[in-house]
Amino acid sequence: DAGVTQSPTHLIKTRGQHVTLRCSPISGHKSVSWYQQVLGQGPQFIFQYYEKEERGRGNFPDRFSARQFPNYSSELNVNALLLGDSALYLCASSAGIPEAFFGQGTRLTVV
Amino acid sequence: GQSLEQPSEVTAVEGAIVQINCTYQTSGFYGLSWYQQHDGGAPTFLSYNALDGLEETGRFSSFLSRSDSYGYLLLQELQMKDSASYFCAAPNRDDKIIFGKGTRLHILP
Repeated sequence: DAGVTQSPTHLIKTRGQHVTLRCSPISGHKSVSWYQQVLGQGPQFIFQYYEKEERGRGNFPDRFSARQFPNYSSELNVNALLLGDSALYLCASSAGIPEAFFGQGTRLTVV
Repeated sequence: GQSLEQPSEVTAVEGAIVQINCTYQTSGFYGLSWYQQHDGGAPTFLSYNALDGLEETGRFSSFLSRSDSYGYLLLQELQMKDSASYFCAAPNRDDKIIFGKGTRLHILP
């Protein structure tokens, strides 16, 4: 069975640009969450979607947005990129607490 | 607010036992999870304690005391492959997980 897949794996963007990250959850999982992980820190919650509806949002600016599609895949969009947005972006899918399954992440570098 | 505190680094010897502590302050606490993350890898779920007491899964055990807002992860018979970062985490009912900053485990041969 395929785990959570994310694309792309690595990305380099320039300040001010826009980026879209993609995530496919484990088959049968309807919940998808996004996390930002800065080097040396724990993952920080950005968004959670369930059945295409946003269920939770972390303390991130409006430049961050996301959506979930009918097949439960998800996109994370970040506008007007800042240097501080450089991080590993993790997607997790779940069939319910407590276990979340994480993808390998997208390493975003903003220059 | 919600926060989980854990030591930044721990060092132990191969074959030994190590304990990684976690204290938490969260509202709507459901339980305490532990995740392992190797360099360049994804966080991987290890264990979850919803109730007080010890949960054992092979070489790994996890403990929770709700009255003390405290838990720990115990790793026995340490192997070099256990070198990784370990995160305590608190999931809530909406699958939002609050993570600690992580404990880097160094294992010496």
